[in-house]
Amino acid sequence: DGGITQSPKYLFRKEGQNVTLSCEQNLNHDAMYWYRQDPGQGLRLIYYSQIVNDFQKGDIAEGYSVSREKKESFPLTVTSAQKNPTAFYLCASSSASGGAGIQYFGAGTRLSVL
Amino acid sequence: QKEVEQDPGPLSVPEGAIVSLNCTYSNSAFQYFMWYRQYSRKGPELLMYTYSSGNKEDGRFTAQVDKSSKYISLFIRDSQPSDSATYLCAMGWTGNNRKLIWGLGTSLAVNP
Repeated sequence: DGGITQSPKYLFRKEGQNVTLSCEQNLNHDAMYWYRQDPGQGLRLIYYSQIVNDFQKGDIAEGYSVSREKKESFPLTVTSAQKNPTAFYLCASSSASGGAGIQYFGAGTRLSVL
Repeated sequence: QKEVEQDPGPLSVPEGAIVSLNCTYSNSAFQYFMWYRQYSRKGPELLMYTYSSGNKEDGRFTAQVDKSSKYISLFIRDSQPSDSATYLCAMGWTGNNRKLIWGLGTSLAVNP
């Protein structure tokens, strides 16, 4: 059953703590993306990666970090430098071939600050 | 001016109504256009995909792209309460590293 798995579904962060959100895909897609969604603000791109061991900053990368050591995995770390991390985080992936540009999404992780 | 404009609503219609959702855009380089549906607290799911101009129909859903007017639409016929969701438009072009430009989403409620 192909798809994108995000975990955990809910996450709580304490002040000064780094937390990592997991994203795994078994669609054999080259590109992966992280978005942040806040009420009324749509989807804002945090980071994206087109191939393994390479990634680029999106529009709101400050306070976040990523890695892409495997094609299937693209974890996002929300660092203590991100002062307003409460949001719904979405991971997506896309293929280089066929259906150009279509992104497929995971179910999301809701991050809250304790 | 944002590259993609979408009225956030909310839009409330009775069951069975025809719903029209729209986005306008400013970048003439856009080549492909998508509509995603997002239920509350879920990830977006692709509803319709159109490459270049024209219409595309899938069941009760019709997507239209008018590149001359830089305007795209999604029509929902015989709307159902299960269509209640946020609808997001997204656009891109092959020269943009497969990044998409997103509208803010329109919240739709279909009332039984």
